[in-house]
Amino acid sequence: SAVISQKPSRDICQRGTSLTIQCQVDSQVTMMFWYRQQPGQSLTLIATANQGSEATYESGFVIDKFPISRPNLTFSTLTVSNMSPEDSSIYLCSVAGTRNEAFFGQGTRLTVV
Amino acid sequence: AQRVTQPEKLLSVFKGAPVELKCNYSYSGSPELFWYVQYSRQRLQLLLRHISRESIKGFTADLNKGETSFHLKKPFAQEEDSAMYYCALRPGPSGTYKYIFGTGTRLKVLA
Repeated sequence: SAVISQKPSRDICQRGTSLTIQCQVDSQVTMMFWYRQQPGQSLTLIATANQGSEATYESGFVIDKFPISRPNLTFSTLTVSNMSPEDSSIYLCSVAGTRNEAFFGQGTRLTVV
Repeated sequence: AQRVTQPEKLLSVFKGAPVELKCNYSYSGSPELFWYVQYSRQRLQLLLRHISRESIKGFTADLNKGETSFHLKKPFAQEEDSAMYYCALRPGPSGTYKYIFGTGTRLKVLA
């Protein structure tokens, strides 16, 4: 199994500002994933972060809004840029296990005011 | 379109009663199906997967390809089963690690 540390666990931010969320894994992984969970909705994949290459974004998500870094095999960051109240969500970092199961961080609860 | 549907947002049962959390999926190929659970103040974690055909904490789930369903069942609910349950689909082929999640069902087991 993988242990994922994600921070901050929560934040309240002013609209127009940016927040960077960090995700640290206790083992080396090829791919890391960032999800968003808006209130009352399911988890939606934002992007897949591979070490040494640009992240792959899902439909509806763009790099300018959600820039991702992946400097090594155990760490990634997701930035939520130029925030608006609609960005208020839980953001989750995830990695895949050896049996295709997903491991998750504890999530970052973001409130934009 | 690939989709996972959990029709119930909230399911309340009494302790000792049977539980069935419904999950239907839409996918043209052969997906892998999972159930994830999130207990209060804990992170989302895997409960079981259809390939393993296992029983975890008394829960089982059978993949019914004809009905495209993967319902989660437990014959006798316990109070500690109260949690948020998510059904998830991982489309093939092997090496694709994206998941599609349902909206979740909150299970409340009443004393």
